[in-house]
Amino acid sequence: SQTIHQWPATLVQPVGSPLSLECTVEGTSNPNLYWYRQAAGRGLQLLFYSVGIGQISSEVPQNLSASRPQDRQFILSSKKLLLSDSGFYLCAWSPGTGALGGYTFGSGTRLTVV
Amino acid sequence: AQSVTQPDIHITVSEGASLELRCNYSYGATPYLFWYVQSPGQGLQLLLKYFSGDTLVQGIKGFEAEFKRSQSSFNLRKPSVHWSDAAEYFCAVSGGTSYGKLTFGQGTILTVHP
Repeated sequence: SQTIHQWPATLVQPVGSPLSLECTVEGTSNPNLYWYRQAAGRGLQLLFYSVGIGQISSEVPQNLSASRPQDRQFILSSKKLLLSDSGFYLCAWSPGTGALGGYTFGSGTRLTVV
Repeated sequence: AQSVTQPDIHITVSEGASLELRCNYSYGATPYLFWYVQSPGQGLQLLLKYFSGDTLVQGIKGFEAEFKRSQSSFNLRKPSVHWSDAAEYFCAVSGGTSYGKLTFGQGTILTVHP
């Protein structure tokens, strides 16, 4: 069966420090991968999606970047964190057929920038 | 562009009472519609989805939703709420493209009183 792993679960980082959040999927090939951010009272905002290795699409301009070095690995990064980067980050995957197969979400990373 | 509106930010019901969470979407063609549930500090779990066919769809945990094209709505219902249903609920829409991008509503927080 397919599983999605996301880590760390919680992270407290100072302003200006770098960030690396990792997401991996098991049990499937060529998944579509997504990074969402959930800020308090603002629902879920799609940050990046990827349909293949090295293919990254950004939905909103921001202080973050994403990379997909391997088929089932998706990384969210920042060179210098801002206070506004605080939030709950969720990774998700769907089959190559897209939403038809449904999304499966990771358990999330709570990032607090201080 | 697709969008989702959940008019109710917070709903409180008594245990055993019926529940209806509202969702209105905007999309130019036939949408793919979803309801997700999120417990505090956790990822999202799919409750149910609508792609085509019968407009009344059944999901997990006793939930159902009805697609009404004329009203652009996809309301979630449950005949008798349990205390364990307390969570945040998200409605989402997708246009069914190859990358299956989901657009979420702002969420509705459900509180259940004993």
